[in-house]
Amino acid sequence: AQSVTQLGSHVSVSEGALVLLRCNYSSSVPPYLFWYVQYPNQGLQLLLKYTSAATLVKGINGFEAEFKKSETSFHLTKPSAHMSDAAEYFCAVRKSGTSYGKLTFGQGTILTVHP
Amino acid sequence: NAGVTQTPKFQVLKTGQSMTLQCAQDMNHNSMYWYRQDPGMGLRLIYYSASEGTTDKGEVPNGYNVSRLNKREFSLRLESAAPSQTSVYFCASHSGLYETDTQYFGPGTRLTVL
Repeated sequence: AQSVTQLGSHVSVSEGALVLLRCNYSSSVPPYLFWYVQYPNQGLQLLLKYTSAATLVKGINGFEAEFKKSETSFHLTKPSAHMSDAAEYFCAVRKSGTSYGKLTFGQGTILTVHP
Repeated sequence: NAGVTQTPKFQVLKTGQSMTLQCAQDMNHNSMYWYRQDPGMGLRLIYYSASEGTTDKGEVPNGYNVSRLNKREFSLRLESAAPSQTSVYFCASHSGLYETDTQYFGPGTRLTVL
């Protein structure tokens, strides 16, 4: 069964600093990988997704993630944090060859941005 | 185009009471899902419906039932609420056609069981 591990339940950065949120997956077949963001008291919004077309994926709000098969990782980065990036971020995996679009989520990482 | 809508937004129940959470999508999606979100545990799948007329258990189905009323609507019922069901509930939908398609989420229902 596929699973997702997000390293660090809380990450704190200063405004303007690099954001790095870590995600490792396990899957017996090539996966599809997703990053979602959840702002306070809202639903989840897709940031970006890896669908095997390109290993470096660019998303909304300046975020990007790189799929590294050798490391089974899909870490999320942003060069310069903004106060508006404060939110909870979820990595999710969908095993290719499965039907119905089911996702398995990581535990989430809360990003705090200090002025 | 409202996407995925959920009602109610908030609910407080007493132990043993029942209630139904409603979800609707206007994207003509085939697949719909119910998740619960608890601190430090991410989102866990309760039930899903691959297509109209079918439902299947997810990771944490105990204490819940679902109904896929039609292609648009997918409801979640708590027959006898327990404090352990205090959580935030999210409904989501997916085209059901392509694995690379995005799953879209509703705004959530915050449920407290006393």
